[in-house]
Amino acid sequence: DQQVKQNSPSLSVQEGRISILNCDYTNSMFDYFLWYKKYPAEGPTFLISISSIKDKNEDGRFTVFLNKSAKHLSLHIVPSQPGDSAVYFCAASARSGGYQKVTFGTGTKLQVIP
Amino acid sequence: NAGVTQTPKFRILKIGQSMTLQCTQDMNHNYMYWYRQDPGMGLKLIYYSVGAGITDKGEVPNGYNVSRSTTEDFPLRLELAAPSQTSVYFCASSLGLSGSSAKNIQYFGAGTRLSVL
Repeated sequence: DQQVKQNSPSLSVQEGRISILNCDYTNSMFDYFLWYKKYPAEGPTFLISISSIKDKNEDGRFTVFLNKSAKHLSLHIVPSQPGDSAVYFCAASARSGGYQKVTFGTGTKLQVIP
Repeated sequence: NAGVTQTPKFRILKIGQSMTLQCTQDMNHNYMYWYRQDPGMGLKLIYYSVGAGITDKGEVPNGYNVSRSTTEDFPLRLELAAPSQTSVYFCASSLGLSGSSAKNIQYFGAGTRLSVL
């Protein structure tokens, strides 16, 4: 059962435009959501996060929106730059026993076209 | 500022061989994790550790073993390699439990690409 879903395997956007990456989840116990960015031959790196008690978090060009009723979150990148081309993973976290369990989505490959 | 270091970067094994994937972190993090990533899939948790001497299974532990004798090191052992273990392996670490945003962030190594033929 895929508790965190990224239904778009890939996305192409023109430089300067907005990139919107989507993520859906099924577990209402998730209390923290994170986005990671991954370049080829590198490990994922943390990008931005949001607590379940908030509906928006912004960091420079990156904004994450959370819609708890729809169990949906999205990452907005504006303006998109060629260096943003990477795979983006959505992750959700929930307390499970004494452990903060993190579940990752399958990733969306973003290509920003110059 | 090394962060999380994994060795080797690449390895080819024959079926039935054994090997250890090394992982070390210099951030004094309590939690460490091993994930595998198969093509088109997300990261699947193999094992995790909440501190030295404490390890537990994740989603896909079969065929693997771990140990955590120090805070810094968290090696992953493959005893009898099988083609199904062909994957990219990532080690990660984090401060620990929830309670603050910083503790939820995992820091990843660059990965080990393993092929079992």
